[in-house]
Amino acid sequence: GQNIDQPTEMTATEGAIVQINCTYQTSGFNGLFWYQQHAGEAPTFLSYNVLDGLEEKGSFSSFLSRSKGYSYLLLKELQMKDSASYLCAVRDSNYQLIWGAGTKLIIKP
Amino acid sequence: GAVVSQHPSWVICKSGTSVKIECRSLDFQATTMFWYRQFPKQSLMLMATSNEGSKATYEQGVEKDKFLINHASLTLSTLTVTSAHPEDSSFYICSARDIAGSDYEQYFGPGTRLTVT
Repeated sequence: GQNIDQPTEMTATEGAIVQINCTYQTSGFNGLFWYQQHAGEAPTFLSYNVLDGLEEKGSFSSFLSRSKGYSYLLLKELQMKDSASYLCAVRDSNYQLIWGAGTKLIIKP
Repeated sequence: GAVVSQHPSWVICKSGTSVKIECRSLDFQATTMFWYRQFPKQSLMLMATSNEGSKATYEQGVEKDKFLINHASLTLSTLTVTSAHPEDSSFYICSARDIAGSDYEQYFGPGTRLTVT
């Protein structure tokens, strides 16, 4: 079966750095996505990786290793507004998005 | 940026009634829209893929006669939950792919919270 694993919850301190990991087993691979979702709201797109390596976008970056079925989202200089759930999703061989359950990030002052 | 709206944002209905949820792409055209359902503290679950001018493709386990999808134009898709029951209470989210955009990005609507009493 297809499976996306990410930690259920993480806690970090304001101003710090946090790394949210995602491992996947899917039928084929056509890209990995990271979304941010605040409680009661729809997800918003953060990043897309289809090739191995690190994609940097200002205050966050995303890494992919296809051979390991692994990705991480690195959030830097955390602010209280970064408290949210972070969803990892993989597009499989049928171009369907397979979603992880999300990692709830709690940021403390 | 691309904006997707949903209406209503929340709805409470009685068991046995039907509810229609609209999903609109406001500043772009979308040949493909997606309908998701999300239960509390759970992942997004794709219900169906809605294609303009053709029948929707439903995921396994999703009853097409219960969740009616119509995608009559390039900017509007509707999901009708027929004969709703309390177990249909959930957060329903649509997303749309820009016909002129990249092939990977989906734009999500704000979601509709349905409560069936």
